[in-house]
Amino acid sequence: AQSVTQLGSHVSVSEGALVLLRCNYSSSVPPYLFWYVQYPNQGLQLLLKYTSAATLVKGINGFEAEFKKSETSFHLTKPSAHMSDAAEYFCAVSGNNQGGKLIFGQGTELSVKP
Amino acid sequence: NAGVTQTPKFQVLKTGQSMTLQCAQDMNHEYMSWYRQDPGMGLRLIHYSVGAGITDQGEVPNGYNVSRSTTEDFPLRLLSAAPSQTSVYFCASSYSGARYGYTFGSGTRLTVV
Repeated sequence: AQSVTQLGSHVSVSEGALVLLRCNYSSSVPPYLFWYVQYPNQGLQLLLKYTSAATLVKGINGFEAEFKKSETSFHLTKPSAHMSDAAEYFCAVSGNNQGGKLIFGQGTELSVKP
Repeated sequence: NAGVTQTPKFQVLKTGQSMTLQCAQDMNHEYMSWYRQDPGMGLRLIHYSVGAGITDQGEVPNGYNVSRSTTEDFPLRLLSAAPSQTSVYFCASSYSGARYGYTFGSGTRLTVV
């Protein structure tokens, strides 16, 4: 069975500050991990994915995430927040041979203060 | 443009009515799936398919039916709509599973009154 926990349903940062969104996962098979972003009234856009290559994954818009197997974590970071980063972020897990089963966390809403 | 197309974008149903949410992709993806999004609960998997003629249940399948007669289409049917099915529904597709990532449609916002 697989599951994802995102710590913090709301995170608020100042413009220019570090963004850290936390994600922990549970998986009985080697995981593939994803971060998606959803802007208001839009669909989901893939930020980055981990598929068992490099543990530090770089994505779009300056975001990156590090896979830490010992901590079962895949936290999302960005060195300097921009107003346009305000959105909801979802962490998700799947596994090879898991078909279309992508399991999502509850989501974290990121607010960016000027 | 290549991608996942969902129709309709908005729909209001009365309790007990039935309807079909359409999902089509033109990327020759084998894997397709349906999710519902509710506030504070993320996205939950309803049904998924690993190829034409093959479907399986996800986390919240009750009240929904699917079929996969072609690679391109994966419709979601609500047999008798209930207010608890008020949600935003997303369809996703993937070439061959997690390694290749998933492409999402723009969603269908359904309200059941």
